[in-house]
Formats: sequence, structure tokens, C-alpha cells
Amino acid sequence: GAVVSQHPSWVICKSGTSVKIECRSLDFQATTMFWYRQFPKQSLMLMATSNEGSKATYEQGVEKDKFLINHASLTLSTLTVTSAHPEDSSFYICSALDGGGGFTEAFFGQGTRLTVV
Amino acid sequence: AQSVAQPEDQVNVAEGNPLTVKCTYSVSGNPYLFWYVQYPNRGLQFLLKYITGDNLVKGSYGFEAEFNKSQTSFHLKKPSALVSDSALYFCAVRLGTGANNLFFGTGTRLTVIP
Repeated sequence: GAVVSQHPSWVICKSGTSVKIECRSLDFQATTMFWYRQFPKQSLMLMATSNEGSKATYEQGVEKDKFLINHASLTLSTLTVTSAHPEDSSFYICSALDGGGGFTEAFFGQGTRLTVV
Repeated sequence: AQSVAQPEDQVNVAEGNPLTVKCTYSVSGNPYLFWYVQYPNRGLQFLLKYITGDNLVKGSYGFEAEFNKSQTSFHLKKPSALVSDSALYFCAVRLGTGANNLFFGTGTRLTVIP
């Protein structure tokens, strides 16, 4: 299957700083990528849908100014957590849609564990 | 509205025994159904999907799932569990093709006891 690479796999940052997480589709072009947040022992919560060349669509309750999403190319989307606080600590997962072959299938990155101290 | 339910938070099974992880769905049209597995501190790995055709779908690592339209279920099964199958399993549904989001169940933690 297609490969989605997410970087970094873990990061520790100080409160008030910003952190950028990258999501790359390595062997296919992804016009759409999704960013999820997962709390311990819970399911994935969709944060936003990232479309190449246009603004991201945020889910209700997700602060667009805090979670900046950029999808500047067909293989890269970034999520920047601005002015991070300890409550932003979580596991963030991206997925990319591969539309090749007529069916759009989602492939997931390995996730990024963010810890804000 | 689309939704997915995984009624069991935790499933324990002895190694070598068959396992079942339950999933029911609710959609307004024809569902596209998926199972993913997540190991600690990892992203989701695709196991199998149902789009159309045979109700019994075979996937990775010996897993299979049966689509039951009348019961709106898509239970994940494996004839003989391995300790290495211990992980968190998510059922997901999407309505149709295209760039639509997956709706996930709450997950079921499977523990295979040696």
C-alpha cells in the first residue's frame, strides 16, 4: 500500500512555543489530507481537512488560529501548533487519500506524540 | 448522519482461540467499511475493507470481516489468535468514494493471553 510519513514521531516543547508536524505522501499524490488528534484510550478525533492549494476546513471546536494547517503541495501537509500549552499534549495523526485506481483510500502516518512542558 | 459503534472497550482471548471484535454502523446510504489496527505510539495500519461484492472480506495478518447488511454489522474475526495480535482495533465507515472523511468507532483493545 501507499506510504505516509509523519515527522517527527515525538516532540517535547516548552509552553508558549510553536511546533510544526509534517505529513508526507511518499509514493502518491494526495489532494486531501486529514489531521486527527487522539487522547489516551480514546478514538481519533478529526481536527481538520487539508486540501492542496486551498484553506483547510476545520471541525467545530478546533481553533484555526492555534492549529495552522498548510497544504502547499500534493505530497506535503503541515500542522503547526502555535503557542502550545500543556493541554495541547496529545497524539496527532495525519492521513492522506490516494485516489489512484478509482477508489479513494486513506493511509495513515505513524503519528506524532507532542508533549508540552 | 454516519456513525460507528464498537460495543466492547476490551476483548480478552486466549492464544490459539478464535477472536471476534464487534462493529455496527449506521449510514444513510451504502457504506464503505474499514478495519484498522493501532500499536502503541503508532499510527493506524489498514487491515481490510468492504466496498462491494462478497460479504466475507479477507485482509492482512489472517484477519477477515463479514459484512451483514441486515444487522448493519462488520465484525472482525480471526480463527486463531496470536499474542502479537494484541493491539487497539478501530472500525471506520465512509459514505461513498471521493475525498470524504472516515468516521471511527471508539476502538476495542484486544489482549491475547498466552
